Amino acid sequence: SAVISQKPSRDICQRGTSLTIQCQVDSQVTMMFWYRQQPGQSLTLIATANQGSEATYESGFVIDKFPISRPNLTFSTLTVSNMSPEDSSIYLCSVLKNTGELFFGEGSRLTVL
Amino acid sequence: GDSVTQMEGPVTLSEEAFLTINCTYTATGYPSLFWYVQYPGEGLQLLLKATKADDKGSNKGFEATYRKETTSFHLEKGSVQVSDSAVYFCALNGNNRLAFGKGNQVVVIP
Repeated sequence: SAVISQKPSRDICQRGTSLTIQCQVDSQVTMMFWYRQQPGQSLTLIATANQGSEATYESGFVIDKFPISRPNLTFSTLTVSNMSPEDSSIYLCSVLKNTGELFFGEGSRLTVL
Repeated sequence: GDSVTQMEGPVTLSEEAFLTINCTYTATGYPSLFWYVQYPGEGLQLLLKATKADDKGSNKGFEATYRKETTSFHLEKGSVQVSDSAVYFCALNGNNRLAFGKGNQVVVIP
């Protein structure tokens, strides 16, 4: 398995501000992802966090809105920029192990007022 | 692309009842299949998995069998408890691309 720590676990933010979410994994992993889970919905992949290079974004997500860093194989950050109430969601960090299993952090619950 | 379809709507049932949640998939190649569970206020946890046809994944009394002929991976539990109340997601991994179903809310009433 993998132990994944996310910070903050929850936050309440004002419209127009930005928030950075941190994800720390207890072992080196090649593939790290960021997902969004809107209230009562399934998971939507935002991007793949690539170590040492720019993240790979899914359709509908752009770097200016969701900049991602991945300085090494155990750490990544996701920033939600210029937030609006529509950004209120749970943001989940996940890692893919060699077994093909995807493990998730506890999530960061973001409320934008 | 690959996709996962779960049955529509929440599932409400009484304690000790039999639970089935249907999951079918569309994929090229031979994906691995998973069930994840999300308890209230928590992240997703891997419940069980199956990596090839006819494999049966099991954990905590839950079971699911990888059926290639029907492209299905239905989740079952013979006797549910109140503590099984959660959202259950079916997922597949095809070439390190994961697809998730929409999830099913399960509510177990005492």
